Amino acid sequence: DQQVKQNSPSLSVQEGRISILNCDYTNSMFDYFLWYKKYPAEGPTFLISISSIKDKNEDGRFTVFLNKSAKHLSLHIVPSQPGDSAVYFCAASEYSNYQLIWGAGTKLIIKP
Amino acid sequence: DVKVTQSSRYLVKRTGEKVFLECVQDMDHENMFWYRQDPGLGLRLIYFSYDVKMKEKGDIPEGYSVSREKKERFSLILESASTNQTSMYLCASSFSGQGANQPQHFGDGTRLSIL
Repeated sequence: DQQVKQNSPSLSVQEGRISILNCDYTNSMFDYFLWYKKYPAEGPTFLISISSIKDKNEDGRFTVFLNKSAKHLSLHIVPSQPGDSAVYFCAASEYSNYQLIWGAGTKLIIKP
Repeated sequence: DVKVTQSSRYLVKRTGEKVFLECVQDMDHENMFWYRQDPGLGLRLIYFSYDVKMKEKGDIPEGYSVSREKKERFSLILESASTNQTSMYLCASSFSGQGANQPQHFGDGTRLSIL
């Protein structure tokens, strides 16, 4: 039973447009959420995070939105660039718990 | 920059062999993690360690053990390799702090094939 779900295995977006990656979770005890990006043949790299006390966190072109009532978060990338083509993982944790629960990932393809 | 180094990028072993995967980090991180990544399943935690000689089971510890004799090194051991352990193995490290609030830094992975 997956507690963190990324329902879109892949997403294709035109360069310069907005990319929106979605993530749903079932465990209401999760209070910290992270997005990681993974290129082929490399390990995941941390991208951006958000605490449950916030509903938005922004870092340059990347913004994460959290809707606690819907148990949903999304990552917005504006504008999308070719280098953004990668697999994006959503992960969640409970406070003071080192263990991250990961989604299955969404492969983002940016078309020129 | 944090560097997490996994000893092998690709490894091929036979069923029943004892397999060692090594991971070294150079940032004096307290926490270290071993995951496996399989298509459609994301990353699943096998074991983690929050201090030297300390270890905690993750979601899928069966068939694996770990060793952390030094702070910078975390080893994953497949006691008797089986074909269902063919996977991508990822090591990560992080500072301690409030739970997962410290981002984990990953190595490039070891693709292990068990024949």
